[in-house]
Amino acid sequence: DADVTQTPRNRITKTGKRIMLECSQTKGHDRMYWYRQDPGLGLRLIYYSFDVKDINKGEISDGYSVSRQAQAKFSLSLESAIPNQTALYFCATQEGGYNSPLHFGNGTRLTVT
Amino acid sequence: LAKTTQPISMDSYEGQEVNITCSHNNIATNDYITWYQQFPSQGPRFIIQGYKTKVTNEVASLFIPADRKSSTLSLPRVSLSDTAVYYCLVGLAGYKLSFGAGTTVTVRA
Repeated sequence: DADVTQTPRNRITKTGKRIMLECSQTKGHDRMYWYRQDPGLGLRLIYYSFDVKDINKGEISDGYSVSRQAQAKFSLSLESAIPNQTALYFCATQEGGYNSPLHFGNGTRLTVT
Repeated sequence: LAKTTQPISMDSYEGQEVNITCSHNNIATNDYITWYQQFPSQGPRFIIQGYKTKVTNEVASLFIPADRKSSTLSLPRVSLSDTAVYYCLVGLAGYKLSFGAGTTVTVRA
């Protein structure tokens, strides 16, 4: 979805480094999500935010933190990257409502060496 | 959180109809059923959503029986470009939803 932009698209970093992945959206949606995808494991929820003042942990939040700088921006940080955080990371937005569809960005491929 | 079960993989040929069934025995009264499609190195894309009976759009059809304990995504006359992973999700119970492994559909010429 071109309205959900993730930067960078690819990133290689070293163990122990702090790294930030950014997500911005032009859809005007309040709800934003960060997912991680590993081969064969589908997408697992890291953090989600219902609005600027609301941040919630997902299934696998350990080792990650987030910042909701504005309605349109939701950043994911790895405080001290480790190799098993090598994965494909996706940001998603949701217009609202319990069953509203998610709109995904094209992902950031992160490699931790 | 309603757990879903769907086949790991399915093979098909161009021009055939592909039907993927998802089981969700403990679906809640206010849960909708939503299907997504994901191509390699892209984010999942919403395909279709339904609550009961049948829903059809330009991409697919979704069949939901009266008891709503399962649903079937139908892809008519598939082409090579329909090769993708398809995910079935039920509700967003508390918004703590992770996607399962999905069904990898491979379409051959």
